[in-house]
Amino acid sequence: ETGVTQSPTHLIKTRGQQVTLRCSSQSGHNTVSWYQQALGQGPQFIFQYYREEENGRGNFPPRFSGLQFPNYSSELNVNALELDDSALYLCASRLGGTGELFFGEGSRLTVL
Amino acid sequence: QKEVEQNSGPLSVPEGAIASLNCTYSDRGSQSFFWYRQYSGKSPELIMSIYSNGDKEDGRFTAQLNKASQYVSLLIRDSQPSDSATYLCAALYTGTASKLTFGTGTRLQVTL
Repeated sequence: ETGVTQSPTHLIKTRGQQVTLRCSSQSGHNTVSWYQQALGQGPQFIFQYYREEENGRGNFPPRFSGLQFPNYSSELNVNALELDDSALYLCASRLGGTGELFFGEGSRLTVL
Repeated sequence: QKEVEQNSGPLSVPEGAIASLNCTYSDRGSQSFFWYRQYSGKSPELIMSIYSNGDKEDGRFTAQLNKASQYVSLLIRDSQPSDSATYLCAALYTGTASKLTFGTGTRLQVTL
């Protein structure tokens, strides 16, 4: 039990649609990161939020965007879905400057 | 491009044997390293972190770090069938955002 919860756990969308994924992290964990894991691959860093500001981004286009809220929850939004966006989306949080990231159970997105 | 390399496996070991998982990384600036276990269809679970050269032991698990050789390993003693999973090696790159770069994972099979 990592204290990081994600919703929904599974969802199916069609190409061109938009999706919002949600994450709730532990109280006090002021850093939240989102990762995309395609089948057979390791997780890829999408972006990170610290105190409600994006402070780092991986190699993902602007149609991937996010928000972090004061209550330690966050969102990942993906616009104009493409087939290659089908993946497991992982939210992870950590306390302050420690390197240990704790993942939620993930949201599995299928784009048809 | 900062990379973390792992042999994808599968690595097959008999029950009770020692499983040895290896990982190399490309960026000498990386300071912290992590091993995650991921069961099929589940999210990664942190099992070990290591920050300095040498060995770190936790129960049946031993992580080894050699920064000069840019090499990280994980030993699992007395392997059990429940250890069968994909093991992800990750390196922490610090900067504006502290992000984890993952390898593609090594699939371990513990046979009876």
